[in-house]
Formats: sequence, structure tokens, C-alpha cells
Amino acid sequence: QQQVKQSPQSLIVQKGGISIINCAYENTAFDYFPWYQQFPGKGPALLIAIRPDVSEKKEGRFTISFNKSAKQFSLHIMDSQPGDSATYFCAASSWGKLQFGAGTQVVVTP
Amino acid sequence: SAVISQKPSRDICQRGTSLTIQCQVDSQVTMMFWYRQQPGQSLTLIATANQGSEATYESGFVIDKFPISRPNLTFSTLTVSNMSPEDSSIYLCSVLTGESSPLHFGNGTRLTVT
Repeated sequence: QQQVKQSPQSLIVQKGGISIINCAYENTAFDYFPWYQQFPGKGPALLIAIRPDVSEKKEGRFTISFNKSAKQFSLHIMDSQPGDSATYFCAASSWGKLQFGAGTQVVVTP
Repeated sequence: SAVISQKPSRDICQRGTSLTIQCQVDSQVTMMFWYRQQPGQSLTLIATANQGSEATYESGFVIDKFPISRPNLTFSTLTVSNMSPEDSSIYLCSVLTGESSPLHFGNGTRLTVT
């Protein structure tokens, strides 16, 4: 049973557009919600993360929106660039142990 | 953030053999974890490597198949035993450096079992 549900499975966006990836969780014990970016042949790289006492966090072109009551969080990639083409994973952590979403493959077209 | 090094970065092994993967961190960390990423899939937690005691395994993973050691606060090993082609995956180490710290990964070990 997947504890973190991620959608969509894949996403195609034009350069300059906005990529939006959504995740939902059930376990209220989760206390840390990171997003990872993974390129082929590489390990996942921490992109941005949020804790449940914050509703939004922005770092450069990346923004996490967090809705604690709905148990949902999302990643927005603004002004998407071809270099952003990668697989993105949301995750939720309790005591350092991460449960991952299924991943979203993002393709940014020139 | 902590720098995490894994060895080997990749290996091709024969069915029935074992491979030990090393994870070295450049600073002391409170917790170390091992994950598996099967081809085209997401990451799944295998176990928490506990310093000075037996690892804590997640459902579906057992010590006989994935023995783990953690002799100190900067180093851990994961052994994949009696390998089969189904064990072909990327194995990744993750660390927690403090209560409020982010969770980082090494580049992983890409294992192919023939």
C-alpha cells in the first residue's frame, strides 16, 4: 500500500511554462516533506522541502504548497527550462524514514 | 550538507554471488538508511542501519538477504546476498545529520545480476 500518492505520472510542458506535480499522504505522523529531482544514472538530489507548520516555501523557481488539513502538497516549477527535464519524486518522512511517491517524469520542450 | 560516497558505483554480478556496498559520510550522522530503486521505479526503504546494533528492516526485507553493518557514525555496509536477476536495482544510502536536517542521498550503486 503506497503511503504517498503522486500525480501525474508524466508531464510535458513548454519552455517557460509551469510544471505542477501533486502528492497526497495519509499518515499524520509524517513531519517532513521533501521533493527530489533525479536524472538518469544519478541518485535523487534534494530539491526543496517543507515542514507541516508552513503552508508555502519558495526557492528560486521551485515552490512547495502544503495543505495540512487536506494532507496534500504540490511542487510548482516556474519558468520551466529544458534542463529541468527529469523525474521528480515527492516523499514524506517520519523519524528520517522516507516514503516516496511513484515519481513524475517531466519533459520540457524547447 | 553531508557528503555521501558509495562504493562501488556500479557492478555486474553473477547469480548466486554476494556483493557488499559501502556508504561513507564525511561527518558523523545520527541515522543511516538503505533504499532500493528497481528499474523505472520509485525508491523503497530497505532498512535503518543502527550503530552498534542490528539493523531495523522494513516489511518485505530480511537480514539474511540484506545484512547490514554500521560499525561507527560515518560508515555502513549493505550486502546483497545470493543474488538473482530480480535484485538488479540501484541501491542508495541516505543519512540524517540532525533532527531538523534535510535528507540527502549518495549517487547509489547500480547493480546488474546476470
